[in-house]
Amino acid sequence: ETGVTQTPRHLVMGMTNKKSLKCEQHLGHNAMYWYKQSAKKPLELMFVYSLEERVENNSVPSRFSPECPNSSHLFLHLHTLQPEDSALYLCASSRTSGAADTQYFGPGTRLTVL
Amino acid sequence: QKEVEQNSGPLSVPEGAIASLNCTYSDRGSQSFFWYRQYSGKSPELIMSIYSNGDKEDGRFTAQLNKASQYVSLLIRDSQPSDSATYLCAVNRYTGRRALTFGSGTRLQVQP
Repeated sequence: ETGVTQTPRHLVMGMTNKKSLKCEQHLGHNAMYWYKQSAKKPLELMFVYSLEERVENNSVPSRFSPECPNSSHLFLHLHTLQPEDSALYLCASSRTSGAADTQYFGPGTRLTVL
Repeated sequence: QKEVEQNSGPLSVPEGAIASLNCTYSDRGSQSFFWYRQYSGKSPELIMSIYSNGDKEDGRFTAQLNKASQYVSLLIRDSQPSDSATYLCAVNRYTGRRALTFGSGTRLQVQP
């Protein structure tokens, strides 16, 4: 276990649903990340939070909305998704958002959009 | 040109052999380099990090970095069937983007 947990582990939703993914880290880290991993594609960075401030938004569609209420929790709110949004969504955390800091990944949420 | 390139494989080696995984990157500003292992259906887990040119050894794993040639490699000695996984190369830089850029990964198969 890396100290990063994600819920739910699996999620099936319709295109009109609204759902949220949750990530929690127990490592005392100050930076948290959302990545998307689709089949046959590299991990794609979505959002970066450092000290609860969003410091990077990697041109993600507005149907994905992140929230970081404190340094231990990160959410990804989903609404009006498309079938091509089906993927593994990974949360990660690191001590800081600095380049040398190792990122530790949670187990991921496998999302299927019908 | 992809920012981080890896041969997708599969790379097949017999048990006990040395597996050599290679990665090239395009951004000369990259300063931190990581190898992650990802089992099917699981999340990536860190194997090694390397920041300076040369070799870094940790148990059966050796990372090699050559910034002038913009490549980083991972050697796995005495390969075991349990090493069968996808190995992801990731790079980062001190300025600009604050998160890792990943390659697509190389799938390694260790044959018993």
